[in-house]
Amino acid sequence: DIQMTQSPSSLSASVGDRVTITCRASQTIGISLNWYQQKSGKAPEVLIYAASSLQSGVPSRFSGSGSGTDFILTITSLQPEDFATYYCQQSHTTPETFGQGTKVEI
Amino acid sequence: EVQLVDSGGGLVQPGGSLRLSCAASGFTFSDYWMSWVRQAPGKGLEWVANIRGDEGAESYVDSVKGRFIISRDNAKNSLYLQMNSLRTEDTAVYYCVRWYLHTAWYFDLWGRGTLVTVSS
Repeated sequence: DIQMTQSPSSLSASVGDRVTITCRASQTIGISLNWYQQKSGKAPEVLIYAASSLQSGVPSRFSGSGSGTDFILTITSLQPEDFATYYCQQSHTTPETFGQGTKVEI
Repeated sequence: EVQLVDSGGGLVQPGGSLRLSCAASGFTFSDYWMSWVRQAPGKGLEWVANIRGDEGAESYVDSVKGRFIISRDNAKNSLYLQMNSLRTEDTAVYYCVRWYLHTAWYFDLWGRGTLVTVSS
């Protein structure tokens, strides 16, 4: 199975901050990397698919980059509604595996 | 409205069985692969199973192979997960999810989730 490792596991930030979350795959996955946001008690929602494509309706302050094994999710100018847990997920090979999550807190 | 409504969760004893259901609406259900993804309390996300749109190919995470069966009824726009020989480690919120291909495969539509608790 492909292992997905996110860092950091949690971070503290303030409104207006620039936040970066990294995700590393245990083997190359091309651009088959997606990012999800999960707010407390809610189902996850996709933010970024195929490493850098913004899902329709997602604010442009979210962006993704990377290919191969190393990927980054960037949130420019953090907003109050962005405090949540973020997961990366690879869809290159079954089983589709997720990172352990990054909790973004105030 | 495009949505997935999952149901069927509850409390079950170890070794017992449970059947989850998911009702899809607002899109052509048979055109899409569907999945179940679970989340143990306070933990991360784990893909459980996939099924192809034509009720054909299925795949499972190793930990549920031989115990869980994913199925669908396209005439009823419904997805199911039959869970047998349940273990305490199967305790989780189970999400019905649409699996979509656009440059890459990703989970683009999620149900609200249904809680399965395996405990004596």
